[in-house]
Amino acid sequence: QITLKESGPTLVKPTQTLTLTCTISGFSLNSHGVGVGWIRQPPGKALEWLTFVYWDGDKKYSPSLRSRLTISRDTSKNQVVLTLTNVDPVDTATYYCAQYDGFLYYFHYWGQGTLVTVSS
Amino acid sequence: DMQMTQSPSSLSASIGDRVIITCRAGQTTTRFLNWYQQKPGEAPKLLIYGTSRLQGGVPSRFSGSASGTDFTLTISSLQPEDFATYYCQQSFIAPFTFGPGTKVDIK
Repeated sequence: QITLKESGPTLVKPTQTLTLTCTISGFSLNSHGVGVGWIRQPPGKALEWLTFVYWDGDKKYSPSLRSRLTISRDTSKNQVVLTLTNVDPVDTATYYCAQYDGFLYYFHYWGQGTLVTVSS
Repeated sequence: DMQMTQSPSSLSASIGDRVIITCRAGQTTTRFLNWYQQKPGEAPKLLIYGTSRLQGGVPSRFSGSASGTDFTLTISSLQPEDFATYYCQQSFIAPFTFGPGTKVDIK
């Protein structure tokens, strides 16, 4: 059974760095064709694709957030980490991680999401 | 970024209605266009991938098609569990942008 679960702080102050962890099970981060991405959704708004790491370590970023975003992975821990620097209240959102199928080109399995509020 | 637009942004429909949602890509995506359904408080669920391929377990009343850079999600006969927000997403080139969503609610 494939599962993904997001974890991290629920409240972050403006200008701080947000770090979220996606812990996976049921598949390997090294599996050919597999990727893990992060998608966020501000309250009442649309989904926004943020970043993605592929099975071979290739990484992609949203151009609008590229300067503030970092994605990394720890294959031994089955974790993918999202770092967003210098957060602002507009970064308040539910953050999802999801497994990407590189053969069929879609996000199949999703975590439940974690709501992060940026406020002083 | 490849911009994705959807129309309408919202619609009201009755049980049994045929519902059509359109997504337009800013440039060619070949056929790498997916549709997701999202209900309040839940993560998105994949409905259709590769423009027209139905994900396993998804009812056959859902279908997808394309004409050029215009993509369509059709619900042939709306059911109570279909009231949700629907998003298209291109997976042709990163960033894998989502459309702004179409909310389907009860008339």
